[in-house]
Amino acid sequence: SQQGEEDPQALSIQEGENATMNCSYKTSINNLQWYRQNSGRGLVHLILIRSNEREKHSGRLRVTLDTSKKSSSLLITASRAADTASYFCATDRTSGSRLTFGEGTQLTVNP
Amino acid sequence: GAVVSQHPSWVICKSGTSVKIECRSLDFQATTMFWYRQFPKQSLMLMATSNEGSKATYEQGVEKDKFLINHASLTLSTLTVTSAHPEDSSFYICSARDWTLSSGANVLTFGAGSRLTVL
Repeated sequence: SQQGEEDPQALSIQEGENATMNCSYKTSINNLQWYRQNSGRGLVHLILIRSNEREKHSGRLRVTLDTSKKSSSLLITASRAADTASYFCATDRTSGSRLTFGEGTQLTVNP
Repeated sequence: GAVVSQHPSWVICKSGTSVKIECRSLDFQATTMFWYRQFPKQSLMLMATSNEGSKATYEQGVEKDKFLINHASLTLSTLTVTSAHPEDSSFYICSARDWTLSSGANVLTFGAGSRLTVL
């Protein structure tokens, strides 16, 4: 079965609210990454957190990683309508291997 | 970060024809590129890994003769959908490793995708 299962599958919030998306995976990883995909476009890398890190920030993004629970969360603070997109987590199990993408969370931020 | 250009962004073709999609790394050399297929509201499905100067590595269940991949240079990989049929209609996305990001970690830069519609 595929690693990287996100929940919720869909999330709808109002502008200004925070959005939290979760990702679970099954095997050991080197790092976990989050990508964003606008409708009909390619993916854009947002942030990477290594297996020895627990939390990372980048602007309005906050990522946590719990390797004991094999889970990660992506928090977008003070969301904007422009944050509307699909968000995917991706696990990198070994250096040089391919990434495994999760099923994604569709985030809708209502103005 | 690096830039990957994918062309065409959309294409409509008749059943039975072949369609070529190009993926170029604009400001870096990509010895490895990845081709994905994505159905509406679903995740990416890795089709094959394209290796410069050698044969592509296809994922299980992907027809090699149907989806021809050529990676003839360090900046260009092409995916040709041969004898396309309506069931091949999908969103195809390429990516390459961007070693400029995250200190050598396995981070991907994606093309904008190609929407294929087979009539």
